[in-house]
Amino acid sequence: SQQGEEDPQALSIQEGENATMNCSYKTSINNLQWYRQNSGRGLVHLILIRSNEREKHSGRLRVTLDTSKKSSSLLITASRAADTASYFCATEGEETSGSRLTFGEGTQLTVNP
Amino acid sequence: DTGVSQNPRHKITKRGQNVTFRCDPISEHNRLYWYRQTLGQGPEFLTYFQNEAQLEKSRLLSDRFSAERPKGSFSTLEIQRTEQGDSAMYLCASSLRGFGGYTFGSGTRLTVV
Repeated sequence: SQQGEEDPQALSIQEGENATMNCSYKTSINNLQWYRQNSGRGLVHLILIRSNEREKHSGRLRVTLDTSKKSSSLLITASRAADTASYFCATEGEETSGSRLTFGEGTQLTVNP
Repeated sequence: DTGVSQNPRHKITKRGQNVTFRCDPISEHNRLYWYRQTLGQGPEFLTYFQNEAQLEKSRLLSDRFSAERPKGSFSTLEIQRTEQGDSAMYLCASSLRGFGGYTFGSGTRLTVV
């Protein structure tokens, strides 16, 4: 079963707008990662945030982590049509560190040109 | 090194047949993972190897499934007596312990008819 839950399940925005996706999880984690998946393709690692970090940036991506609420958010600024994809959060649990990632069900982002 | 390679990209098989998939990880990575993903869902963990040792198997991995990683290099995932419920995308990923994100291959899409 999936530990993470992404919210919303689907998001449609115009090019240039910001997109925010949220993720909740249930157990204690070592780190939380965000991945992108284009239709029918493999997953691409975007960013990793460790349990002792609260915010991280990478280019147009901003990730926050609130371990007290067991939640994370991914912000994509100045979106582009090429950002259209499914976005998944995945957690590496403290007890399973390095042995597996537990994925949520993903958010389907559509960026309209 | 061009990343994680999976073969074949697509496989259509008749119910009851055996299938085998191959994954070639990034050569420096000592950990290799298999995941299964069905349409509209996030990937689900199947099993992982550290070098040649299979250290964990999910309950999803029934006795019809077997994975190997001889010599700690490439890995194979075999499904015996395939069933229609086995239809899914099978994803392989590799990582270098302690260095964060996983690198996924493009997957093998299995269709059982």
